Amino acid sequence: GAGVSQSPRYKVTKRGQDVALRCDPISGHVSLYWYRQALGQGPEFLTYFNYEAQQDKSGLPNDRFSAERPEGSISTLTIQRTEQRDSAMYRCASSPSGTSNQPQHFGDGTRLSIL
Amino acid sequence: GQNIDQPTEMTATEGAIVQINCTYQTSGFNGLFWYQQHAGEAPTFLSYNVLDGLEEKGRFSSFLSRSKGYSYLLLKELQMKDSASYLCAVRGHSGAGSYQLTFGKGTKLSVIP
Repeated sequence: GAGVSQSPRYKVTKRGQDVALRCDPISGHVSLYWYRQALGQGPEFLTYFNYEAQQDKSGLPNDRFSAERPEGSISTLTIQRTEQRDSAMYRCASSPSGTSNQPQHFGDGTRLSIL
Repeated sequence: GQNIDQPTEMTATEGAIVQINCTYQTSGFNGLFWYQQHAGEAPTFLSYNVLDGLEEKGRFSSFLSRSKGYSYLLLKELQMKDSASYLCAVRGHSGAGSYQLTFGKGTKLSVIP
């Protein structure tokens, strides 16, 4: 596609439910990143994939958070047993490769609200 | 780890020049990025610096001094549409996490007539 596509745009769910957030990167982009952004803050790194390999998951807050990218394209971020503190904007970004001079292109995000 | 500091808010007049500063302390450095983010929208890439000096791109310029851990974004001929948050982000160096960006909290720029 023309840009990074994320779905759903908005997700409202009750505490304790599991949620799955989807990211479709720019076609041909090797690297994919997940960030979380609180209101008035910059994005905070969660995890990074190179092709299908999860290279870095150091930013995942706890073991309720997981991510996969099984075919090296679309990625899913899953949050199990959601808590109110998980409410945030979740953003996905992709870049052509992991080399340092290539910018990451961000999607419009999924606004997650936990009731 | 990384620590990124930038002013929270700035106000400037249409047609003027504004400089947004960013200082960082890092355990490794592999480039600095500036992003623009309009309210309710995704961050969009503005500039990248990895070597010391000035990079110019139209009305936007970005400067880097690695020895001082300092960068600035210069916006010339300000337009109302430049009202947005400007995010400074540093990329780490080597090992796990080398390609993640660590962002500052952003500087909210308001351009007034």
